[in-house]
Amino acid sequence: KNEVEQSPQNLTAQEGEFITINCSYSVGISALHWLQQHPGGGIVSLFMLSSGKKKHGRLIATINIQEKHSSLHITASHPRDSAVYICAVYNNNDMRFGAGTRLTVKP
Amino acid sequence: KAGVTQTPRYLIKTRGQQVTLSCSPISGHRSVSWYQQTPGQGLQFLFEYFSETQRNKGNFPGRFSGRQFSNSRSEMNVSTLELGDSALYLCASSGGTSGYEQYFGPGTRLTVT
Repeated sequence: KNEVEQSPQNLTAQEGEFITINCSYSVGISALHWLQQHPGGGIVSLFMLSSGKKKHGRLIATINIQEKHSSLHITASHPRDSAVYICAVYNNNDMRFGAGTRLTVKP
Repeated sequence: KAGVTQTPRYLIKTRGQQVTLSCSPISGHRSVSWYQQTPGQGLQFLFEYFSETQRNKGNFPGRFSGRQFSNSRSEMNVSTLELGDSALYLCASSGGTSGYEQYFGPGTRLTVT
């Protein structure tokens, strides 16, 4: 079993829909990152969380340390949100990655 | 502020050769981490350097090595290339350790034939 599990693996949505991507992990962590990777490979760090909730524009990330679970929400989704979203956990100078969720938002 | 730069962007090598990839972090960042991304294994952590010292190393064979210079620029080297080393190699810089927010470079796509 992977230490970092993401669901769903693939997600197709219509423009304007509310989207949730989930990340569960089995190891102790000091921080969790949400990353966005567009076709071509470029990765952008969206959030770094160690507790609670963060919001940036239409993106919201939450983490529940006790349940070892994090969610990334996208409100009013747009085709430009189409990308792979990757959850990564950090502990003891090591990062472990989820397999990613491929999101496609159709106009 | 300039972002993280990686050179070269694309590289084709032959099995058995060695390769050196370069990463220049954001000015003022002292931490550089390296990652390998393949379709089969996804993203995997290679190693992290902070102030010229390797802080941690992922589960990769000794053919993979790296170093960091006093100006925080980092290089990674892969010796005796294998077909399975074909991947996108990404570096990321951070103001602290990789537990802090990371800024990724565009990656170097290495193809081993």
